[in-house]
Amino acid sequence: KNQVEQSPQSLIILEGKNCTLQCNYTVSPFSNLRWYKQDTGRGPVSLTIMTFSENTKSNGRYTATLDADTKQSSLHITASQLSDSASYICVVSRPSGTYKYIFGTGTRLKVLA
Amino acid sequence: SAVISQKPSRDICQRGTSLTIQCQVDSQVTMMFWYRQQPGQSLTLIATANQGSEATYESGFVIDKFPISRPNLTFSTLTVSNMSPEDSSIYLCSTRHSTDTQYFGPGTRLTVL
Repeated sequence: KNQVEQSPQSLIILEGKNCTLQCNYTVSPFSNLRWYKQDTGRGPVSLTIMTFSENTKSNGRYTATLDADTKQSSLHITASQLSDSASYICVVSRPSGTYKYIFGTGTRLKVLA
Repeated sequence: SAVISQKPSRDICQRGTSLTIQCQVDSQVTMMFWYRQQPGQSLTLIATANQGSEATYESGFVIDKFPISRPNLTFSTLTVSNMSPEDSSIYLCSTRHSTDTQYFGPGTRLTVL
């Protein structure tokens, strides 16, 4: 069964600290993996996208890694800010033909001052 | 990038009534999608809105309950019909572009009493 599991479900950290969010998937065949940030009451916004051959991708203080062999990805947030408080969603897609986005349940991050 | 707007941003409706949600994109796009995000859950694809033809629904979603229109390449509507409290959700419009990037609208938060 094609699934995307994220951990932890929720996380609270102090401003300025780093954190890492995990995403494990069983989707096959695999096309690419995205991380989205979803602010409360808003639609998701893409942070990074990685294909099978990419191991890491950065977007400012956000760095995503991908291990296609173990089917694991992580999103590392450096020097967290209050504005990082949001849900982070891992999305895995399959190649066109059976093209479907499979969404993880998300990690809810709260950054405290 | 695409700018997607949705109307209304939120609504509170009575059981048994229907609500039509509008999605407007600032550029022509081939593929438009409608998602549902129930409280504390991840996104679930309802259907793909096809321009000039009937929408393609995912398992568990039917046209009678969620009729969709797509009169042109920049606009689509989703109607939630004969609503019940279980339909309380955030409904999100999404587009996919040739770069394989998916954009989301801000969502419509629906509460059914």
